[in-house]
Amino acid sequence: GMPVEQNPPALSLYEGADSGLRCNFSTTMKSVQWFQQNHRGRLITLFYLAQGTKENGRLKSTFNSKERYSTLHIKDAQLEDSGTYFCAAEGQEAGNTRKLIFGLGTTLQVQP
Amino acid sequence: GGIITQTPKFLIGQEGQKLTLKCQQNFNHDTMYWYRQDSGKGLRLIYYSITENDLQKGDLSEGYDASREKKSSFSLTVTSAQKNEMAVFLCASSIIGSGNTLYFGEGSRLIVV
Repeated sequence: GMPVEQNPPALSLYEGADSGLRCNFSTTMKSVQWFQQNHRGRLITLFYLAQGTKENGRLKSTFNSKERYSTLHIKDAQLEDSGTYFCAAEGQEAGNTRKLIFGLGTTLQVQP
Repeated sequence: GGIITQTPKFLIGQEGQKLTLKCQQNFNHDTMYWYRQDSGKGLRLIYYSITENDLQKGDLSEGYDASREKKSSFSLTVTSAQKNEMAVFLCASSIIGSGNTLYFGEGSRLIVV
């Protein structure tokens, strides 16, 4: 299978709703990074995790290297959260090069 | 704060033509990357460079050349454009070493006619 499987492929939420995105890894990864791709096409880093959980405002992310998954939770979704979310993992063999393996993305649409 | 600038935003060329995309960053980052984004296929690494004049192949390097002329710039050349290469090309940079996040440009869309 794919080294990084991202689910769901698409998600539609109403404003104020909570939801989660998940990435499963086929092998043990060193770290994970979550990005949001905005309407202009630029990928913006949301989180970098080597382990554990991080929170930033309405977003929370968890990375469990041993269990081979990472999650991104969005609380109280807002219209500006719409976009495509990617997780990208760094394999054990990546060394210092920061070569990332990307998931296929989750397209999120937040409706009023 | 720094910025990554990709030029051009849109590149239109003919089949068989050699086409070059440019990327500049003012973060003073060591490492730069070129990714290709196809619809429904996520991002795939074409080339990366750890430092000036260094070049490393990614997973998708065939049909491409790259050049790290100086620390702040990294260019990507499509050696012979094909219609199935129409995609968005994304440049990124980071400080060398684990634990450092990547910063991306806004992308360059390649259109082959």
